Amino acid sequence: ESVLTQSPGTLSLFPGERATLSCRASQNIRNNYLAWYQQKPGQAPRLLIYGASNRATGISDRFSGSGSGTDFTLTISRLEPEDFAVYYCQQYGSAPPITFGQGTRLEIE
Amino acid sequence: EVQLVESGGGLVQPGWSLRLSCTASGFTLDDYAMHWVRQVPGRGLEWVSSISWNSGSVAYADSVKGRFTISRDNARNSLYLRMNSLAAEDTALYYCAKDIARSSWRYFDHWGLGTLVTVSS
Repeated sequence: ESVLTQSPGTLSLFPGERATLSCRASQNIRNNYLAWYQQKPGQAPRLLIYGASNRATGISDRFSGSGSGTDFTLTISRLEPEDFAVYYCQQYGSAPPITFGQGTRLEIE
Repeated sequence: EVQLVESGGGLVQPGWSLRLSCTASGFTLDDYAMHWVRQVPGRGLEWVSSISWNSGSVAYADSVKGRFTISRDNARNSLYLRMNSLAAEDTALYYCAKDIARSSWRYFDHWGLGTLVTVSS
């Protein structure tokens, strides 16, 4: 089972700043099969990135994903107020089981 | 527009059973694998179970294996999760989620709003 560890647990930034969120896997993720989701309070998760670097339909180009192997990054350039939320990574390279990271909370400074 | 609507949650006592349903619309259900993912309020996401388009492949998290059964009825545009021997640690919001693939487990491009299961005496 691939364990995903996200860091930091909480990230405090100002609107307009750049956010860098990390997701590290305990083993190589085959084919870079890693996705990122955004979840706001009271809402279901929303797909942002799949295949480590591909933006999902309708996702702003301020969101970008990168990385390979065991280290992956979600970058949000020029934070907007609506970007403050919890972000999860998910691997599907060695499913089952599908595994999620524990989440990074992005909060307004 | 893709919609997933979960139902069947509620308050049950430890050891009881419950069946969750997810009604799909806006897409052809039998073109996709489907999943259940749960979330304890205020906590992270936990994958629970997956089923391929034709029910030929199913998978379960170790935490529910032997107690939960996933199934689907494509003709009724529905996904189900039968949960037996419920315990307090099963208390969570249960989401139905659509895969982008038919037979393999990938990622989830659409989610329902969830149905809350509370296990308490």
